[in-house]
Amino acid sequence: SQTIHQWPATLVQPVGSPLSLECTVEGTSNPNLYWYRQAAGRGLQLLFYSVGIGQISSEVPQNLSASRPQDRQFILSSKKLLLSDSGFYLCAWGLGYNQPQHFGDGTRLSIL
Amino acid sequence: AQRVTQPEKLLSVFKGAPVELKCNYSYSGSPELFWYVQYSRQRLQLLLRHISRESIKGFTADLNKGETSFHLKKPFAQEEDSAMYYCALSDYGGATNKLIFGTGTLLAVQP
Repeated sequence: SQTIHQWPATLVQPVGSPLSLECTVEGTSNPNLYWYRQAAGRGLQLLFYSVGIGQISSEVPQNLSASRPQDRQFILSSKKLLLSDSGFYLCAWGLGYNQPQHFGDGTRLSIL
Repeated sequence: AQRVTQPEKLLSVFKGAPVELKCNYSYSGSPELFWYVQYSRQRLQLLLRHISRESIKGFTADLNKGETSFHLKKPFAQEEDSAMYYCALSDYGGATNKLIFGTGTLLAVQP
């Protein structure tokens, strides 16, 4: 069966520090991968999605970037974190058209 | 613009009472809608999708294109239904579907 792993579960970082959140999927090939963020009091917002290795689409301009170095690995990064980057980050996978997405446990990121 | 609106942040009902979680959408094409649920200390998971036209855990949702709504209903709420519920719209583009989420409704079922 398919599983998705996301880590770390929580992270506290100072402003200006770098960020790397990792997500891996098992049990499926060539999934679509997604990064969402939930800011306080707001719904989940799609940040990035990827349909294949090295293919990244950004939905909103921001201080973050994403990479997909392997088929089932999706990384969310930043070179210098801002206070506004605080939030709850969710990774998800899906098989494309007409298929639901499946979510990881999420990472709660606090910027000090 | 594509949008999902969940007007209630919190819905509190007593056990055994009917539940209706409201969801309205704005979408230019033919919509594909989902309800996701997040129970305490669990990950976000799919509850149901409109094309399946099924009942999951006693919940149903009917797509009303005239009213652009996809309300989630259950005739008799149970305490274990207490959770955060998100309505989501699938925005298809090429090989992928991007989910547009509402802000969520916290359902609290009182004993």
